[in-house]
Amino acid sequence: DIQMTQSPSTLSASVGDRVTITCRASQSLSSWLSWYQQKPGKAPKLLIYKASSLESGVPFRFSGSGSETEFTLTISSLQPDDFAIYYCQQYYTSSPTFGQGTKVEIK
Amino acid sequence: EVQLVESGGGLVQPGGSLRLSCAASGFTFSVHYMDWVRQAPGKGLEWLGRTKTKTNSYTTEYAASVRGRFTISRDDSKNSVYLQMNSLKSEDTALYYCVREGNSFDYWGQGTLVTVSS
Repeated sequence: DIQMTQSPSTLSASVGDRVTITCRASQSLSSWLSWYQQKPGKAPKLLIYKASSLESGVPFRFSGSGSETEFTLTISSLQPDDFAIYYCQQYYTSSPTFGQGTKVEIK
Repeated sequence: EVQLVESGGGLVQPGGSLRLSCAASGFTFSVHYMDWVRQAPGKGLEWLGRTKTKTNSYTTEYAASVRGRFTISRDDSKNSVYLQMNSLKSEDTALYYCVREGNSFDYWGQGTLVTVSS
């Protein structure tokens, strides 16, 4: 299986900050990578697919970039609603795998 | 509105079996691959498997951790997907999500909790 490693594991930030989360894959994914947001007690929500495509209805402050083995999720100006756990996921292979998650908490 | 509603979770003893169901609505169910993903308490997300469409012969694929114990099936006439879980272990305790594949995993149910304990 492809291993997905996110950094950092926890990120403390303030409202208005620019936030970047990195996801590294153990082998090339081309652009077959997604990002999800999960809030406590809720199901994950798709934010970004195919590395940089914004899912319908997701605010434009979220963006994704990268290819092959290194990817980033950027929140351009952190909002109160954005404090959550973020997961990357590869779907390059027939056995998708997730990163361990990055918790974005209030500084 | 796309909706996925899981049911069938509960408390089961180690070695026991459980069948989860997921009822889908608000989209053309038959053209989408459907997946199951679980999340152990306080842990991350683990993909379990998927069922493909009739066009793809209803082929199923599984994670190595559950292959041989879990079986995914679907009934397009009922817009439903199922997860049959056998030989359950304590480490199978988790919230089980039904997921639609569209743009990646684009819709998730709210999950059904499975607790494996004596």
